Amino acid sequence: AQSVTQPDIHITVSEGASLELRCNYSYGATPYLFWYVQSPGQGLQLLLKYFSGDTLVQGIKGFEAEFKRSQSSFNLRKPTVHWSDAAEYFCAVPYTGTASKLTFGTGTRLQVTL
Amino acid sequence: DVKVTQSSRYLVKRTGEKVFLECVQDMDHENMFWYRQDPGLGLRLIYFSYDVKMKEKGDIPEGYSVSREKKERFSLILESASTNQTSMYLCASSLGLLDTQYFGPGTRLTVL
Repeated sequence: AQSVTQPDIHITVSEGASLELRCNYSYGATPYLFWYVQSPGQGLQLLLKYFSGDTLVQGIKGFEAEFKRSQSSFNLRKPTVHWSDAAEYFCAVPYTGTASKLTFGTGTRLQVTL
Repeated sequence: DVKVTQSSRYLVKRTGEKVFLECVQDMDHENMFWYRQDPGLGLRLIYFSYDVKMKEKGDIPEGYSVSREKKERFSLILESASTNQTSMYLCASSLGLLDTQYFGPGTRLTVL
């Protein structure tokens, strides 16, 4: 089965600083990869997804992620963090192949200081 | 916009009770999912349904069952609630393979 690892449980950044959240995957072939965000008190929302093609993927809210096959990584980045970005972020990969089911990482909680 | 609604935001039940969590989506999605979310463990899939009356077990189905009698509604059933089922339960739906999953706001269940 495929899996993802999010090494950072909790990250704190200052508003206006840049952000990078790490995600490493275990996958037999070119993976499909997702980033979801969960704002306080809300359900998860898709930020972006990678299927193929350009390895730099743009998402909503100014986020981007870069697929690096050599490092088995799909890190999420944002150049300038806003206080409203404080949330929990989850990386995900399909169980197998093109399955509808996803397996999620354990999440990274982002705290933004003013 | 896709809307996924869950019957309760907060629920308190006693050990041994039968508990029903309801989820409704309004976009004619084929797939529906039930997850539980626990600190440090992320989201874990309990059950998945890919059509009416069709279901697949996820990673942690023990102690749970599901029902999907209509396309828009997916119910999670705790046959005999236990304290270790205290958790946040999230429902989601998606149209097809690899499509975006849309999540409800969650039900925080406490079993005393």
